[in-house]
Amino acid sequence: KNEVEQSPQNLTAQEGEFITINCSYSVGISALHWLQQHPGGGIVSLFMLSSGKKKHGRLIATINIQEKHSSLHITASHPRDSAVYICAVPKASGSRLTFGEGTQLTVNP
Amino acid sequence: NAGVTQTPKFRILKIGQSMTLQCTQDMNHNYMYWYRQDPGMGLKLIYYSVGAGITDKGEVPNGYNVSRSTTEDFPLRLELAAPSQTSVYFCASSYRGELFFGEGSRLTVL
Repeated sequence: KNEVEQSPQNLTAQEGEFITINCSYSVGISALHWLQQHPGGGIVSLFMLSSGKKKHGRLIATINIQEKHSSLHITASHPRDSAVYICAVPKASGSRLTFGEGTQLTVNP
Repeated sequence: NAGVTQTPKFRILKIGQSMTLQCTQDMNHNYMYWYRQDPGMGLKLIYYSVGAGITDKGEVPNGYNVSRSTTEDFPLRLELAAPSQTSVYFCASSYRGELFFGEGSRLTVL
């Protein structure tokens, strides 16, 4: 079993739909990261959170430390949201991260 | 700020050749990382550094070497390239846990 598991692996949505991507982890953490990787490869950090909820524009990230689970929500999805979304958690030994395999999101117009 | 800059963006190597992937950041971050990303797989840590003069192995260090003589630069050296090193390589830095990635270097070993 991977230390970080994301679901679904692939997700296709219509423009305007509400999207949820899930991340479950098995290690104890101090903070969880959500990253976005666009076609062409560049990776951007979206959120780093250790409790509760964070919001940035149409993106919302939540985390439940007790259940070791985080979700990334996208409201009013748009084709430009099409990307791979990656969840990452630090190993107990400090700065080293374990990455999920990513969720490929495609939003069709 | 330019952020994290990686070069080259693309490279084709023959088996047994050597090369260096360059990474530089202008944000004065102490923490820097090299990852590789294989198709359908999560990012794997090759090496990391917590400051100038300090480096340590990650999950998949075999076949690679790094140095960190300055805060800004963290080059990754491939010695005796092998087909298994065909991958996309990402350099990253971090500050207070927030990550900043370079645009990636796609390496093919034939």
